[in-house]
Amino acid sequence: AQSVSQHNHHVILSEAASLELGCNYSYGGTVNLFWYVQYPGQHLQLLLKYFSGDPLVKGIKGFEAEFIKSKFSFNLRKPSVQWSDTAEYFCAVNPNTDKLIFGTGTRLQVFP
Amino acid sequence: GAVVSQHPSRVICKSGTSVKIECRSLDFQATTMFWYRQFPKQSLMLMATSNEGSKATYEQGVEKDKFLINHASLTLSTLTVTSAHPEDSSFYICSARDGGPSYEQYFGPGTRLTVT
Repeated sequence: AQSVSQHNHHVILSEAASLELGCNYSYGGTVNLFWYVQYPGQHLQLLLKYFSGDPLVKGIKGFEAEFIKSKFSFNLRKPSVQWSDTAEYFCAVNPNTDKLIFGTGTRLQVFP
Repeated sequence: GAVVSQHPSRVICKSGTSVKIECRSLDFQATTMFWYRQFPKQSLMLMATSNEGSKATYEQGVEKDKFLINHASLTLSTLTVTSAHPEDSSFYICSARDGGPSYEQYFGPGTRLTVT
């Protein structure tokens, strides 16, 4: 079945550690890719998006993601996390329709 | 820019009653709005897509007679949970698109519904 997978359900890091969150999707053809963040008690915010062009996408707050078409992946990275990055992170895919299909989310906890 | 609001943020209702949740795009015209449901510690599940002036398109397994969606204007969509039951308790989130070439959706803050 078509789906979006986030294999890391809960990640715990110390400040300054590097972060990589995995996202894989199973849709064929052209897709648009997104990473959203949900800070505690707040609404979903867009971190970054990929539509076309350079597969390495830079977003807000020092986040970046790389689209690897051959691996159907769009992993999120940050070289040095901060306590304020503690949040829920969602990968989402738009398979050329109006719909956004979300992954199950990854809860990131960063300890000072 | 691109702010979406929801009202109320929290609502508690008795079983069997109906509850209406509003979703508004504050600074843009939303040709398409989406309603999601988020269970605790789970992802967002798309319930329906609504286009201004037309009937909503519901996802498989979502009862259209139970979750009534109205998108009467380019800035307002409403979700009415009819004859609510405790299993309808959840976090309901709306999002909106502005009709441009980007498929980006702007999300509201969500509404926590508790049915007692």
